[in-house]
Amino acid sequence: QKEVEQDPGPLSVPEGAIVSLNCTYSNSAFQYFMWYRQYSRKGPELLMYTYSSGNKEDGRFTAQVDKSSKYISLFIRDSQPSDSATYLCALRRSGGYQKVTFGTGTKLQVIP
Amino acid sequence: DVKVTQSSRYLVKRTGEKVFLECVQDMDHENMFWYRQDPGLGLRLIYFSYDVKMKEKGDIPEGYSVSREKKERFSLILESASTNQTSMYLCASSSREKLSPTDTQYFGPGTRLTVL
Repeated sequence: QKEVEQDPGPLSVPEGAIVSLNCTYSNSAFQYFMWYRQYSRKGPELLMYTYSSGNKEDGRFTAQVDKSSKYISLFIRDSQPSDSATYLCALRRSGGYQKVTFGTGTKLQVIP
Repeated sequence: DVKVTQSSRYLVKRTGEKVFLECVQDMDHENMFWYRQDPGLGLRLIYFSYDVKMKEKGDIPEGYSVSREKKERFSLILESASTNQTSMYLCASSSREKLSPTDTQYFGPGTRLTVL
């Protein structure tokens, strides 16, 4: 079983839709949760991070963590064509070196 | 603004060749990483370095080696390239704030390596 599971998609939505991207994980040692966005032919860039259960909002983006269910989500409101990218969840244990475990990524296409 | 650069965007090599992938960062970061990215497998850590001349194996180090002679530069070496090393290679760097949840890895644009 993989430590982090993420549906690869692709996910295709019309402009303006609410998008929900999700990951599940198996190891309760993960304490920090991140979402990276990767545009085509580019490296990933950090979009959001959180380290506690609950919601964190940043503009049109909301990251949600449910540690009891080992489930993390990224919601995108009013999706735009510029949101078309691959979204990777990334999890990190506390302490130790900075090893980050990445999900496989979900490819999102927002259609105008 | 953090910048991580990689020496080549696209590279084609033949089986058995020695391949060097170079990565340079300009933010004085202590930590540097090499990943490979494959469809369905995501990002997998090959090696990382937390200081000059220091290196640690990641999840898939077999067939690779690394070199970090200067703080800003981290090289990935394929001693004898094989077709199963065809992949996208991504370099990243981060500062040594190990206890900070905002500890971000900054990625380069990637090198698409094809081994024929």
